[in-house]
Amino acid sequence: AQSVTQLGSHVSVSEGALVLLRCNYSSSVPPYLFWYVQYPNQGLQLLLKYTTGATLVKGINGFEAEFKKSETSFHLTKPSAHMSDAAEYFCAASFNYQLIWGAGTKLIIKP
Amino acid sequence: DTGVSQNPRHKITKRGQNVTFRCDPISEHNRLYWYRQTLGQGPEFLTYFQNEAQLEKSRLLSDRFSAERPKGSFSTLEIQRTEQGDSAMYLCASSLRPSLTSGVINEQFFGPGTRLTVL
Repeated sequence: AQSVTQLGSHVSVSEGALVLLRCNYSSSVPPYLFWYVQYPNQGLQLLLKYTTGATLVKGINGFEAEFKKSETSFHLTKPSAHMSDAAEYFCAASFNYQLIWGAGTKLIIKP
Repeated sequence: DTGVSQNPRHKITKRGQNVTFRCDPISEHNRLYWYRQTLGQGPEFLTYFQNEAQLEKSRLLSDRFSAERPKGSFSTLEIQRTEQGDSAMYLCASSLRPSLTSGVINEQFFGPGTRLTVL
């Protein structure tokens, strides 16, 4: 069965440090992949998506993600964390036009 | 505001009562989705509509749940005889229909959600 796994329910980094949030998918056919961010008491907002073409995808707020088919991964990175990045991040994959979601990773930024 | 809106934002009800939530999608979007999200989990798909047609329902959607999109615009999600296990955030999203030629799935735009608490 298709699935999306996010490693680490919580990730804590210092302000200015590299952010790395991990996402792996399970599927025989590479899906389309998405990262969404959810701030407290708000809906989900798309950060970036991979469909076809360039495997390094740039999104909003300085985030980017790289699709690696051999590793079935789509990890999210940001070179320098900012306090405003504190939120929950969800990876999702589309299978037959439906989205399957990871459990989310809460990003904590230490001053 | 031209985003997805949901009402109410919060609903507290007693076990056994019926509740109804409303979602107003982005006007030109023909697809509308309902998800449920519990604490510490990602959204779980419940159902989706293409225009007024309900095309898929998850096994999570028991017979106490019903969703409608009568005119292909707004949608309602009703839960009958609520149970404490129904307490969750109910999210609505809308999108354009995926491209049948390129196969590209379009972004889903989410509303702020309705938080349901069943006492």
